[in-house]
Amino acid sequence: NAGVTQTPKFQVLKTGQSMTLQCAQDMNHEYMSWYRQDPGMGLRLIHYSVGAGITDQGEVPNGYNVSRSTTEDFPLRLLSAAPSQTSVYFCASSWGDNYGYTFGSGTRLTVV
Amino acid sequence: EDQVTQSPEALRLQEGESSSLNCSYTVSGLRGLFWYRQDPGKGPEFLFTLYSAGEEKEKERLKATLTKKESFLHITAPKPEDSATYLCAVQARGGSNYQLIWGAGTKLIIKP
Repeated sequence: NAGVTQTPKFQVLKTGQSMTLQCAQDMNHEYMSWYRQDPGMGLRLIHYSVGAGITDQGEVPNGYNVSRSTTEDFPLRLLSAAPSQTSVYFCASSWGDNYGYTFGSGTRLTVV
Repeated sequence: EDQVTQSPEALRLQEGESSSLNCSYTVSGLRGLFWYRQDPGKGPEFLFTLYSAGEEKEKERLKATLTKKESFLHITAPKPEDSATYLCAVQARGGSNYQLIWGAGTKLIIKP
């Protein structure tokens, strides 16, 4: 049982580059979300999805895009990387909004 | 403004020394309060959900309680393997059902 799988684990980007962070879950969860975690701050929601074909913005969506073509996959795209996007990114999934989330192991992104 | 505050920021205990972590919240209406454990370099791991004042949940050496203004995570006779950062998150009524408000966490260190 793999749970939530995120790739890559580490990434260094130059300012202006684009990339996609991958997230896949094998638990048939309808709810998936992307968070960023910065030192001294709580997790902040970037985008979330309540099912295939349905996505919505969270607290800090600017500079990021998402899509959800299947139940299993929920990639996060950085359109034009900026140093302010240096962070640890977590993907999470759940049976529903009032259930605990299962998190991936994270992607540590550095933008130089 | 909805807010979640965790205290202390860090707590050092000797093995076997019981203590409590605090999560105070200010929301218009509580839908659920979540506790997670996060080990270094890993994603948060779900521990408990509490829904109403007076509710308690236990798991091994951990016990979570909830009042109308705060939640406590009590750790009884902790062991070194309980060392981690403990995160609290709140889901408020009225807002988006999928957005959690996260505290910054309490880093717990248990010395043998």
